[in-house]
Amino acid sequence: DAMVIQNPRYQVTQFGKPVTLSCSQTLNHNVMYWYQQKSSQAPKLLFHYYDKDFNNEADTPDNFQSRRPNTSFCFLDIRSPGLGDAAMYLCATRGTGAYEQYFGPGTRLTVT
Amino acid sequence: TQLLEQSPQFLSIQEGENLTVYCNSSSVFSSLQWYRQEPGEGPVLLVTVVTGGEVKKLKRLTFQFGDARKDSSLHITAAQPGDTGLYLCAGANAGGTSYGKLTFGQGTILTVHP
Repeated sequence: DAMVIQNPRYQVTQFGKPVTLSCSQTLNHNVMYWYQQKSSQAPKLLFHYYDKDFNNEADTPDNFQSRRPNTSFCFLDIRSPGLGDAAMYLCATRGTGAYEQYFGPGTRLTVT
Repeated sequence: TQLLEQSPQFLSIQEGENLTVYCNSSSVFSSLQWYRQEPGEGPVLLVTVVTGGEVKKLKRLTFQFGDARKDSSLHITAAQPGDTGLYLCAGANAGGTSYGKLTFGQGTILTVHP
């Protein structure tokens, strides 16, 4: 089945220690999104790629970076995690011309 | 800035009861999606509505898009414990660099007690 995969599902990092979360998709979608979601709130968009074009949200902290080496993979790098960055991080994809976004299962990040 | 007001924020009901969740905006959306999210998982797409006045049914779930494409509702008939979760409405627009960008409602946490 075509899907969006996120690894790891759970990640524990120390305060200030860089961490990378990964997302892969078999849907062959052009657009990939990264969201941050805190306890039972709506997801908050961090940035997205349309193919290789990167689009950052205005209020996304510089601490968050992203890479998309190819269509299938996208990475979220948190350069110096703070306690406030503990959250669920969701990856989603969308096909060109479609409205629907398909989400991965998420990575739960804990910062100690 | 487009906003979606979702209500109620919390809903706790007994198995077998009916419920309705609302999403309202002063802005027009090209489409509106409904998602359900279980604890520790990502949101799962339930439905997309794109035409004003459109009604879609998914088993016991009925989704409606307002005539003016500014509001939507989700009605669940005879709720079951398996319906428990966070329900999110999200509007999207066509055109420009914001194509497909989702505006989320605040979410409704539904708990169905056996």
